[in-house]
Amino acid sequence: DGGITQSPKYLFRKEGQNVTLSCEQNLNHDAMYWYRQDPGQGLRLIYYSQIVNDFQKGDIAEGYSVSREKKESFPLTVTSAQKNPTAFYLCASSISQGRNSPLHFGNGTRLTVT
Amino acid sequence: EDKVVQSPLSLVVHEGDTVTLNCSYEVTNFRSLLWYKQEKKAPTFLFMLTSSGIEKKSGRLSSILDKKELFSILNITATQTGDSAVYLCAVEYNFNKFYFGSGTKLNVKP
Repeated sequence: DGGITQSPKYLFRKEGQNVTLSCEQNLNHDAMYWYRQDPGQGLRLIYYSQIVNDFQKGDIAEGYSVSREKKESFPLTVTSAQKNPTAFYLCASSISQGRNSPLHFGNGTRLTVT
Repeated sequence: EDKVVQSPLSLVVHEGDTVTLNCSYEVTNFRSLLWYKQEKKAPTFLFMLTSSGIEKKSGRLSSILDKKELFSILNITATQTGDSAVYLCAVEYNFNKFYFGSGTKLNVKP
């Protein structure tokens, strides 16, 4: 079955440590996205990538980094510079730019930093 | 400033009731409006709307867009406990870029 796989489902880290969240898709989608969801707030865009080896900052990119070396994979690193990293992180993909296409989401990673 | 506003923030109804969820937007370069249902984890896609006045329907759910007044509604008839979820509205601007509202939390009681 095609879909988006995020791992791990839950992640616990100590303050000051970098952590990488995995996102893999087998939908053959060109575009991939990382969103952050906090209670009572809408999804906020961290980074997005329309093609391999290219990505752009979203609205809240500070303290995060990404790479897009393969079409299927878009890992997100939460660095120690991110002031409030505890949140629910959602990865998404869509077919390609130039077409109206919905986002497809993974099941998310809940990150807790203490 | 671009924004997507959903109302109400939360709603409690009983099984069998009909509910209407609202989404208003002010977004430059509007391309489409999308509705998602989010239970515990991944938001699941419900509808994509691009044209005014054309109702999209799937079972007990339906949605319509008004591009003149800049809003959309999501209707759920004969609600069931399985409809309990957060409903998210998103607006696509430019190509494949999206603003999300904060969601409406629906609780359907038996």
